[in-house]
Amino acid sequence: QVQLQESGPGLVKPSETLSLTCVVSGGFISGFYWSWIRQTPGKGLEWIGHIYYRGDTNYNPSLKSRVSMSVDTSKNQVSLKLKYVTAEDTAVYYCARGASGSLSWFDSWGQGTLVTVSS
Amino acid sequence: EIVLTQSPATLSLSPGERATLSCRASQSINRYLAWYQQRPGRAPRLLIYDSSNRATGIPARFSGSGSGTGFTLTISSLEAEDFAVYYCQQRTDWPLTFGGGTKVEMK
Repeated sequence: QVQLQESGPGLVKPSETLSLTCVVSGGFISGFYWSWIRQTPGKGLEWIGHIYYRGDTNYNPSLKSRVSMSVDTSKNQVSLKLKYVTAEDTAVYYCARGASGSLSWFDSWGQGTLVTVSS
Repeated sequence: EIVLTQSPATLSLSPGERATLSCRASQSINRYLAWYQQRPGRAPRLLIYDSSNRATGIPARFSGSGSGTGFTLTISSLEAEDFAVYYCQQRTDWPLTFGGGTKVEMK
């Protein structure tokens, strides 16, 4: 059974860049779309974007100007960068696997990692 | 973007009772709706995809229905582990969006 594990700094200063990594184990990155999703008490679940194992990306327009994603198939991991963060970017960040193509539901999720934006 | 509105916000029920949760889309999404369960401190778990298909390992007491703009998740007889928050998600158009959630709490 595939497992996803997010990691990265739990505290990021305002205006800096949030960087997270998701390692996939028990399965291959190849053939799937890998999404980043965040959750806040105020805005609920928000899809940030996804990356295909070949590197194709699609981002939420609300975050597109600040987001970038990358994939490293040799390490079976995907990464997220979010620039110029503010307190509104404080959230639990999840990586998740798209089960069926690019427009998909998510059948596997990481446990999530809390990122707090504060000076 | 497609807005998903879930109702009610909170459902207070007892174990053994039937739960009926609603998700309404701002435009037609055919049958491309999924449901997730989230327990406190845990990631969402896929229950139903494409309106009515149970995900692997999901008990038969969970069922989904609907098409177009109106969808329902039914839990036929609530068990203790079913008290959680439920979210719907559409996969018809970008960006992928989620509903605001329905909390099923114990009465």
